[in-house]
Amino acid sequence: GDSVTQMEGPVTLSEEAFLTINCTYTATGYPSLFWYVQYPGEGLQLLLKATKADDKGSNKGFEATYRKETTSFHLEKGSVQVSDSAVYFCARAGTGFQKLVFGTGTRLLVSP
Amino acid sequence: GAVVSQHPSRVICKSGTSVKIECRSLDFQATTMFWYRQFPKQSLMLMATSNEGSKATYEQGVEKDKFLINHASLTLSTLTVTSAHPEDSSFYICSALGQGGAARNEKLFFGSGTQLSVL
Repeated sequence: GDSVTQMEGPVTLSEEAFLTINCTYTATGYPSLFWYVQYPGEGLQLLLKATKADDKGSNKGFEATYRKETTSFHLEKGSVQVSDSAVYFCARAGTGFQKLVFGTGTRLLVSP
Repeated sequence: GAVVSQHPSRVICKSGTSVKIECRSLDFQATTMFWYRQFPKQSLMLMATSNEGSKATYEQGVEKDKFLINHASLTLSTLTVTSAHPEDSSFYICSALGQGGAARNEKLFFGSGTQLSVL
């Protein structure tokens, strides 16, 4: 069935370091892809999305490119900040357009 | 922006008791809400889809008699874990759908989750 695999955390970085969180998905068709972020004590928030192959989603300095050839949607940021510390979830649209299939989430810890 | 309030954020209960989790959309109406759970080191898994005024639709493998869902109004859905057991200990999270669908996903809003621990 549909699934999303993302790297296990926690990912620990120093401020201003480069971030990559890997995400791959199983492909039946070309689903929309998403990254969500959950800050402590808050709900998941949409960070960025891509709806078709080669699309690049971007927001708050984060980017992810929809790669159909590798079925990947890796999240990147050139220079992380302490305030980026959170849990990041990769997701794809599932069967039925309203449903999402999530990965396990990756905790990012950024130290000053 | 739109907010979904979920509570309690954390609950500890004895085996055999029932626990109710509430999910409210505070400034918008949600005809559809989703309930997910996440076991340690596993993915967020959809449990059920809750539609206002009708019976919830459960995913395969989710016991509808154990996880009672009530969506009696456009702003409130509740999940009751009946006769909870330690294996039900998990992180439960709700989401509410505004206009549009998750394929565009600007209109999907999440609660902050409930950590259930059954002793």
